[in-house]
Amino acid sequence: AQSVTQLDSHVSVSEGTPVLLRCNYSSSYSPSLFWYVQHPNKGLQLLLKYTSAATLVKGINGFEAEFKKSETSFHLTKPSAHMSDAAEYFCVVTPDTGRRALTFGSGTRLQVQP
Amino acid sequence: EPEVTQTPSHQVTQMGQEVILRCVPISNHLYFYWYRQILGQKVEFLVSFYNNEISEKSEIFDDQFSVERPDGSNFTLKIRSTKLEDSAMYFCASSERWGLQGPALNQPQHFGDGTRLSIL
Repeated sequence: AQSVTQLDSHVSVSEGTPVLLRCNYSSSYSPSLFWYVQHPNKGLQLLLKYTSAATLVKGINGFEAEFKKSETSFHLTKPSAHMSDAAEYFCVVTPDTGRRALTFGSGTRLQVQP
Repeated sequence: EPEVTQTPSHQVTQMGQEVILRCVPISNHLYFYWYRQILGQKVEFLVSFYNNEISEKSEIFDDQFSVERPDGSNFTLKIRSTKLEDSAMYFCASSERWGLQGPALNQPQHFGDGTRLSIL
């Protein structure tokens, strides 16, 4: 079985400072991992995905994430936060091979202060 | 960029009534999904659908739920007799294909904006 733990339910940063959203996963197989973002009253938008190619994955809007198998982590980072980054972020892991149900973390709400 | 569309954006229904949530997946996608998010809780998988049949469902997806692809474009979720605890945001998603050779070929699921279902 697989699971995802997002270590912070709420993160607050100042505009222009770095963002770090932490995610640890558990999976029986080599996982595929995703980060999705949800802005208020909007759907879930894919930020980036890791599917066993490069361990450093670049996504949209300047976000990137690094897959570290030894630490079972997939933390999301951005060098400089923008006001428009304020949203809920979900770390997501694919199921064991053959299944399709995504397993979501509980989410991290990112607040960006001016 | 193509997107998944869901209607209505908000549905208010009396307890015990039937409700149908509608989705139009991305046109070349083959796999379709429903998820729900109860307020303050995680996004939870309900069901996946491929080749006109359910390929996987969760424990949540009991006999009061059903899915259908009535034509070439729509994908619906029906709740037969709604309960208060069915109040949630329901998300539809679709994906292009699933790799038979392992996770490297998995395609991400693309989500709609959701339907907020309120049961009174």
